[in-house]
Amino acid sequence: DGGITQSPKYLFRKEGQNVTLSCEQNLNHDAMYWYRQDPGQGLRLIYYSQIVNDFQKGDIAEGYSVSREKKESFPLTVTSAQKNPTAFYLCASRQGPGLRKLFFGSGTQLSVL
Amino acid sequence: RKEVEQDPGPFNVPEGATVAFNCTYSNSASQSFFWYRQDCRKEPKLLMSVYSSGNEDGRFTAQLNRASQYISLLIRDSKLSDSATYLCVVNEVDSGAGSYQLTFGKGTKLSVIP
Repeated sequence: DGGITQSPKYLFRKEGQNVTLSCEQNLNHDAMYWYRQDPGQGLRLIYYSQIVNDFQKGDIAEGYSVSREKKESFPLTVTSAQKNPTAFYLCASRQGPGLRKLFFGSGTQLSVL
Repeated sequence: RKEVEQDPGPFNVPEGATVAFNCTYSNSASQSFFWYRQDCRKEPKLLMSVYSSGNEDGRFTAQLNRASQYISLLIRDSKLSDSATYLCVVNEVDSGAGSYQLTFGKGTKLSVIP
């Protein structure tokens, strides 16, 4: 079945540590997105990519980095510069940059030890 | 700043009740609209798109009012399984970036009570 796979489901980070969240899709979608969700809050856009080898900052990109070396993969690194990383992270994709719906992965809950 | 506003709730309703959610958006150039459903600690899932003429899917009806810049979701004959958070999502063109951007509301929490 086609879909988006995020891993791990739960992740713990120590102070000063970089961690990477995986997002893989086999839907052949061009556009991929990373969102952060805090309790009782809406989704906020971290980074997005509309094509391989290209990505743009979203509303809250500071302390995060991404890469898009393959169409299927869009990993997110939470760096030590992100001082408040505890949140629920959602990866999404859709076909093209147009008006179509988003498909979401099942999310990664990141917590600080 | 482009915003999508929703009443956070919670809406606590008995089974069988009819409940309506509203959502307002600030960007008049917004082009498409969606309602997503999100269960606790899960990913959002598309409930329905919202069309200008209004659309219905079983017990769910969505309406769009472009003049007043709001969309609505009506749930009839509420079921226990409808308990979730409902997210309003607006898709608009970001002319500066040359891309389409989705803006999410913070969600309205619904609890259907036996």
